[in-house]
Amino acid sequence: EVQLLESGGGLVQPGGSLRLSCVASGFTFSSYAMSWVRQAPGKGLEWVSAISGSGGGAYYADSVKGRFTISRDSSKNTLYLQMNSLRADDTAVYYCAKDTLITVFGVGDVWGKGTTVTVSS
Amino acid sequence: DIQMTQSPSSLSASVGDRVTITCRASQSIGSFLNWYQQKPGKAPKLLIHTASTLQSGVPSTFSGSGSGTDFTLTISALQPEDFATYYCQQTNNIPYTFGQGTKVEIK
Repeated sequence: EVQLLESGGGLVQPGGSLRLSCVASGFTFSSYAMSWVRQAPGKGLEWVSAISGSGGGAYYADSVKGRFTISRDSSKNTLYLQMNSLRADDTAVYYCAKDTLITVFGVGDVWGKGTTVTVSS
Repeated sequence: DIQMTQSPSSLSASVGDRVTITCRASQSIGSFLNWYQQKPGKAPKLLIHTASTLQSGVPSTFSGSGSGTDFTLTISALQPEDFATYYCQQTNNIPYTFGQGTKVEIK
């Protein structure tokens, strides 16, 4: 069974850092691009970042560019999101999603359950 | 960035009703349009990709159509498990933007 499991969320002060992880199982991790999508409380979905299966291509929303870094470790079947200089408007549930191609296509056909990030003093 | 506008923002319908949700892009996106269903407290679920391709395992009561800037998600006969929020997403240009969502409620 294809599964994604996020972790690493929590409460952090403004200006702080967090690293989210997403462990994948049930598929060949390096054969698919991966994405992070977030959802602020009571709001809609916002695409955050994506990375190709090889890790050679990484893309970001303007709202996080320069503050967040996406990466992946195929030896651990794990996707990461390093989040620095966190702001209150980064508060959200963060989902990782598996893409349908090795190149970034943006279609999330499998999603994790999400991990909650709260930025507050 | 490409803006995605869904209508209506919410609707009330009965089991067995035919429901149509529209999504309009601020510029042409070809057929790079996906539809997701999300239930409260759950992750989104892919229903349709590339405008009209039904994702494996999704009931055939769901269908999608459109190209360019105007797209439609149709539920031919609403089932109790279909009450949820639906989002469109364009994957023609990064950033991959979502519509604001359409909440389908029980009448």
